[in-house]
Amino acid sequence: DIQMTQSPSSVSASVGDRVTITCRASQGISSWLAWYQQKPGKAPKLLIYAASSLQSGVPSRFSGSGSGTDFTLTISSLQPEDFATYYCQQANSFPLTFGQGTKVEIK
Amino acid sequence: EVQLVQSGAEVKKPGESLKISCKGSGYSFTSYWIGWVRQMPGKGLEWMGIIYPGDSDTRYSPSFQGQVTISADKSISTAYLQWSSLKASDTAMYYCARRGGSSSADAFDIWGQGTMVTVSS
Repeated sequence: DIQMTQSPSSVSASVGDRVTITCRASQGISSWLAWYQQKPGKAPKLLIYAASSLQSGVPSRFSGSGSGTDFTLTISSLQPEDFATYYCQQANSFPLTFGQGTKVEIK
Repeated sequence: EVQLVQSGAEVKKPGESLKISCKGSGYSFTSYWIGWVRQMPGKGLEWMGIIYPGDSDTRYSPSFQGQVTISADKSISTAYLQWSSLKASDTAMYYCARRGGSSSADAFDIWGQGTMVTVSS
C-alpha cells in the first residue's frame, strides 16, 4: 500500500499569510494526487487534482505542485473561509489512501 | 445537478446489521466509480473501498476487507455499504464519493453529505 504523510499536522496562520502544506508518498505516484478541504461538519471538497490542476470554482489562491513522491499545497493569501483541515490523497493505485490531514487554524 | 444523496443517520446496537445508501443523480451512474470513506469522530479520512456500478467491480482497503460489503443497484443508481454485525468501533461518519474519471484525474469530485452511524448498547 502507498502511505501518504502530510506535514505539518497543524499550522497557525493569520489572514493574508502564505501557507504551505506538504504531502509525501511512500512510493512514486507520478501526478496522481488530489487535495481536499474539509470544514467542520461538512463533507470534503475537491480543490486540486492531478497534483496541480485547480478544480472548477476553486479560488486561484490555491495551488498545487509536485510529482513523484513530494507534493505541495499552497494558499497564497489566507482568507477567513480557508480555516479548515486539508487532506492529500493518492489516486495512483488501489488501495487509495489519504494523508492524515493538516488543520489550518487562526493565529 | 450532479449529486450524491446519502441515507439518514442510524443508531444501532452492537451485533445488529445495517445497510446505508448513496443515490447518484445528474450523471451516468454506471460510468463512474463510487467510493466509501470513513471518518471516525475527530479523526481523518479513511478509504474503505470502491465499486464500479457498470460491472460491479469492487475493491476494498485491506483494513476493511471482510468487515463491510459494498454493492450497487444500477437500476436505481444507488450504491450501498453494509455491515452484518456492527461493533461500537464502527461509530463514524460515512461518506460516499464519485471518482471523477479522466476529467479530474480520478479524484473524488462529488461527495455525499455523509451518514452518521452510531453503535451503542
